[in-house]
Amino acid sequence: ETGVTQSPTHLIKTRGQQVTLRCSSQSGHNTVSWYQQALGQGPQFIFQYYREEENGRGNFPPRFSGLQFPNYSSELNVNALELDDSALYLCASSPEGGGRQETQYFGPGTRLLVL
Amino acid sequence: AQSVTQLDSHVSVSEGTPVLLRCNYSSSYSPSLFWYVQHPNKGLQLLLKYTSAATLVKGINGFEAEFKKSETSFHLTKPSAHMSDAAEYFCVVSEQKYSSASKIIFGSGTRLSIRP
Repeated sequence: ETGVTQSPTHLIKTRGQQVTLRCSSQSGHNTVSWYQQALGQGPQFIFQYYREEENGRGNFPPRFSGLQFPNYSSELNVNALELDDSALYLCASSPEGGGRQETQYFGPGTRLLVL
Repeated sequence: AQSVTQLDSHVSVSEGTPVLLRCNYSSSYSPSLFWYVQHPNKGLQLLLKYTSAATLVKGINGFEAEFKKSETSFHLTKPSAHMSDAAEYFCVVSEQKYSSASKIIFGSGTRLSIRP
């Protein structure tokens, strides 16, 4: 059973640029959630995708957008990067729609640095 | 409103002594509660979860937590700390209103250090 994988592991961008982060969900999982973890803080929920539709969103501006593909892998896109977007971005998958009782399985994250 | 508070940002204990990491929550609906652990340069791993069954929940690596509704607490304990327990621990509350997507909130984390 393959776990959640994310790419790239590290990324450096400059202010105003756009970035795409990728996530492959664990085998058999149809739900993917994205989180932003700033240094020294807990992860903050960005949004969740269930069967290719956005299924919930946290308090992030529209320049944070995403996609989920038919194989349930997912992308997180961030436009017009700001310095405060520097963080560890975590992807998590779950098997049955992301209900409140579901365990989420996390990938190792992508560390983004915006200069 | 939903929230979670981890009362200690850093806890330091000696190897072989008990561990207590404190978590308080608030929720408008019947929540599920989780503890996750994050080792350096590794992904978050589930330690245990409460989903409205038994209030005393046993997890991996000897950890357990007790859901106390009257105190709105979900403290994590372990009888005897091991050096490998040194990590960041997150308390998480998840609630779901009717058929909408669940709302997940992480605490700010507690860094656990183990002294030899």
